[in-house]
Amino acid sequence: EPEVTQTPSHQVTQMGQEVILRCVPISNHLYFYWYRQILGQKVEFLVSFYNNEISEKSEIFDDQFSVERPDGSNFTLKIRSTKLEDSAMYFCATYSGGSNTGELFFGEGSRLTVL
Amino acid sequence: GEDVEQSLFLSVREGDSSVINCTYTDSSSTYLYWYKQEPGAGLQLLTYIFSNMDMKQDQRLTVLLNKKDKHLSLRIADTQTGDSAIYFCAERPGYSTLTFGKGTMLLVSP
Repeated sequence: EPEVTQTPSHQVTQMGQEVILRCVPISNHLYFYWYRQILGQKVEFLVSFYNNEISEKSEIFDDQFSVERPDGSNFTLKIRSTKLEDSAMYFCATYSGGSNTGELFFGEGSRLTVL
Repeated sequence: GEDVEQSLFLSVREGDSSVINCTYTDSSSTYLYWYKQEPGAGLQLLTYIFSNMDMKQDQRLTVLLNKKDKHLSLRIADTQTGDSAIYFCAERPGYSTLTFGKGTMLLVSP
């Protein structure tokens, strides 16, 4: 089965620090997403990215967050100044965009702990 | 607005069938998904169904979709202890983003 890989698997940071989470999408996929899951809660949509720009974002995705695909390979989520409530598991997901498939694959997640 | 509802907990014995139910609200949902999450792990795509289908079978998994009632179910035949996990239902309107339910914790006892 194709894989979405995420790094780091776990990051601990101090409040106010910048964090970058990285995702390597499946190679022929065109749509990329970030979701987060606060411990014990539901998985929440953050942002979707297509054709090198944000296509949709949620209320959670405020000015502290940004995404980019700097080298055509990695898809990154940056949190500019982390807050305690940013502690969560962050999942990257990718989708091919093909009309005959709905397969949307998730990575293993990056656990962010903000102290 | 979009909302996906699931029961929170299901307990079955090994060898029995498990049925996890889900209701959704967005009638324009193109795809409906079931993901499995084991403790501390990521989201594993189990199966999905296109909205013009009413049933999909994949080995031990059977997905039933009732579009009229906006009801989706996942049946796991011959449930094993390794099936113990949280199962998330998700809907997807068009090619837009997924909306997840809160997840159903399946506990399989020997």
